[in-house]
Amino acid sequence: AQKVTQAQTEISVVEKEDVTLDCVYETRDTTYYLFWYKQPPSGELVFLIRRNSFDEQNEISGRYSWNFQKSTSSFNFTITASQVVDSAVYFCALSEWTIAYQLIWGAGTKLIIKP
Amino acid sequence: EAQVTQNPRYLITVTGKKLTVTCSQNMNHEYMSWYRQDPGLGLRQIYYSMNVEVTDKGDVPEGYKVSRKEKRNFPLILESPSPNQTSLYFCASGHEGGRLPHNSPLHFGNGTRLTVT
Repeated sequence: AQKVTQAQTEISVVEKEDVTLDCVYETRDTTYYLFWYKQPPSGELVFLIRRNSFDEQNEISGRYSWNFQKSTSSFNFTITASQVVDSAVYFCALSEWTIAYQLIWGAGTKLIIKP
Repeated sequence: EAQVTQNPRYLITVTGKKLTVTCSQNMNHEYMSWYRQDPGLGLRQIYYSMNVEVTDKGDVPEGYKVSRKEKRNFPLILESPSPNQTSLYFCASGHEGGRLPHNSPLHFGNGTRLTVT
């Protein structure tokens, strides 16, 4: 069955440290998509990135980078030189080609960046 | 401004008193969905709609109803709320066409925090 595991419930680091949020997924489909969403303290959910299963290239966007490894079924998210504004709950999600219109969500990782 | 608008933001009610949470999007999205968020459980899908008059159950549909009479609106109805429906609710919409959510990211409303006593 499909599943997304974010084993880190909460992470706390000091500003400017690098931090990696882990996401491990399970699926039987060969075609699937992986997503990361951010939920800042204000509560809204904001899309960060989508990656399909055929594209294992790592993605970098400013201080954010994502490492997709099919061999380990992981899609990890790294923030370099973290800032207080990065404090949020981060969700990883999976959609499968054979099950349209539904996302499988991880439980989320709460990231606290201390000044 | 492109957005998904949910109302109300906060709602406190009593067991058994019917309520409706409204959701409206101005992006002409065909796909809309309702989620509930509970600590440690992430987001769980309640219902979704692929287009007008087309809805289907998600993972936790019990105790909820939806309707999609117009493309822009997707209200969530709790006919007889119970305390276990106390949660944070999100409405979301996605781009037109295709096998959503594969093609496009979801746009979320700001959430409705519901408390049922």
